[in-house]
This record gives sequence, C-alpha cells and structure tokens, in this order.
Amino acid sequence: AQSVAQPEDQVNVAEGNPLTVKCTYSVSGNPYLFWYVQYPNRGLQFLLKYITGDNLVKGSYGFEAEFNKSQTSFHLKKPSALVSDSALYFCAVRDPASGGSYIPTFGRGTSLIVHP
Amino acid sequence: EAQVTQNPRYLITVTGKKLTVTCSQNMNHEYMSWYRQDPGLGLRQIYYSMNVEVTDKGDVPEGYKVSRKEKRNFPLILESPSPNQTSLYFCASSSPSLYNEQFFGPGTRLTVL
Repeated sequence: AQSVAQPEDQVNVAEGNPLTVKCTYSVSGNPYLFWYVQYPNRGLQFLLKYITGDNLVKGSYGFEAEFNKSQTSFHLKKPSALVSDSALYFCAVRDPASGGSYIPTFGRGTSLIVHP
Repeated sequence: EAQVTQNPRYLITVTGKKLTVTCSQNMNHEYMSWYRQDPGLGLRQIYYSMNVEVTDKGDVPEGYKVSRKEKRNFPLILESPSPNQTSLYFCASSSPSLYNEQFFGPGTRLTVL
C-alpha cells in the first residue's frame, strides 16, 4: 500500500526567507512523487514531480523538491518566499508496484503562510 | 484551453434531495476521479474511473454514485444527501500513465442542511 505524510499542518515564514514544506512517503517499490498547490477558492495545480533521475527536481513558480530515498522524503523548497506563495500544498505518491489504480494518494496538506 | 469544469460551483440543499455534480474534461483523458476535501483530512478519493463504463470505489464511497457513459464526463450523484456530505468536492482527470499529473476542476462547495 502507498501512503504519504505531511507532518506540519502549517508553516510560517517571512518573505524573502527560504521555505521548506515536508513530505514523507511509504511505498513498496520506487515512488512517483508529486507536489500540488491550492490557492484560495481554486482547484489544485500541479507544481512538480519526481519520476526518476536527478534527485533535485525543479518546478513552477521557483519551487524545487529534493527526493531522498534513504529518508523516504520529498520536501518542497524555495530559496526566497513570496507573500503570493501563501497557499495550501499537497504532496502525493503513486506506487508503480502496487498494481492498483493510477490514482495517487494525497497527504493532508500543509498551509504555508508567508508574512510580509 | 485544457480544463476540467465542474457545475455547480456552489450548492446549498436539504437532506434527502437528490443532486448531481457534473464534471467534464476536454483533454481526452481516460482517468477521472472525485475527491472530497475536509479540514484536517486533506483530499480523500470517493470514486475513480479508468475509462468509459469502468468505475471503482475510492476511500470514501458511501453515499455516492458515479457513472462514466462518455469519456469526457464523470458526474457525481448523491441520491440522498446528508449533512455529513457537506464538503468541498473536486473532480480530476489524467492520461493513462503513472508519470502524469492530474488536472483538477475548480471545486464544488456543497452544503447539506
């Protein structure tokens, strides 16, 4: 079975500072990992994904994420936060070895608040 | 423009009154799914469909029905809504690859009184 955890319900950071939103996963095989962002009153939007290859993945809006197999983590990062980054962030995982549907499992979400 | 549309965006109804939330995508995606989003619980999958006439239960299917008669449409049906189905609902679609991300609709906020 596949599962994903986002240990922080909320992350607060000052504008201009680096930000990290944490995600850990559990799968039986090699994971496919995704980050999505949800702005207020909007649907989720895809940010980036890790499938294979380079452990550092770059995505939209200056975000990047680092895949760490030994720690089973896929933390989302940005070097310099903007107030406009304030949103709800979801990590998701697919386990190709699960033999189930193509639908991923989502974490509970982390609310990022960037203070001016 | 590639998109997933949902209607209605907002709905207030009463217990027991049947309702349907429509979902349509214009990307020719095989896979479609419905989620509900509740505070503290994140996204939970209700039903999914891997192609026309192929549907299956997700994590929280009780009280919901779906159908997939056409590739582009995947309506969510609440035959007898109850207050615990008050939630924010999202439809999503994707192409048939584990590599591919999902495209989400704008959401439907449902209140059942």
